Amino acid sequence: AQTVTQSQPEMSVQEAETVTLSCTYDTSESDYYLFWYKQPPSRQMILVIRQEAYKQQNATENRFSVNFQKAAKSFSLKISDSQLGDAAMYFCAYRRGAGGTSYGKLTFGQGTILTVHP
Amino acid sequence: GAVVSQHPSWVICKSGTSVKIECRSLDFQATTMFWYRQFPKQSLMLMATSNEGSKATYEQGVEKDKFLINHASLTLSTLTVTSAHPEDSSFYICSASGSAFFGQGTRLTVV
Repeated sequence: AQTVTQSQPEMSVQEAETVTLSCTYDTSESDYYLFWYKQPPSRQMILVIRQEAYKQQNATENRFSVNFQKAAKSFSLKISDSQLGDAAMYFCAYRRGAGGTSYGKLTFGQGTILTVHP
Repeated sequence: GAVVSQHPSWVICKSGTSVKIECRSLDFQATTMFWYRQFPKQSLMLMATSNEGSKATYEQGVEKDKFLINHASLTLSTLTVTSAHPEDSSFYICSASGSAFFGQGTRLTVV
């Protein structure tokens, strides 16, 4: 079974600074996707960034980027120029590749609460 | 694209009654949908996989008779919490296979 681990229950950052959230995972599969989701107080799950395992290039979405280390099974999220609106709970998630009965099922890490100080 | 809509956003019900939550895929067909449960400040835990036209697959420890899932069409899955009790109070969220998107979630409070 796949597992996802976020070892930082809470993190804080000053506005305009950079913060990195850690995530490790364990799987025996070669085809999979990794995600970072943001959950603000509204509790709506918002997709931040996605990484396909077969792609060596790290995904980037504006101020958000990942450091995907496949061999180490590490998938960290870097938030640059942090804004007050970035404050939320962040979840790392794993999804197996296409095909199979469990396609689409997500396995989540424990979450990291990010606080942004003005 | 790939929008998932969930209704209601919140519901309060009396202990012993049943509550139905709907999850719709608005712009695509979803043969499979997933139902998650989340307690405050905790992670999302998969409850069951909803399969269109067939029985749902429940995760270990989830009572299938309490959490009834129906996936009657390619765009709609429903979760019914039967004979609800205060311990069923939680946040329920759905997602659709092939989509990285979630419904808005339903906050259920049983009094």
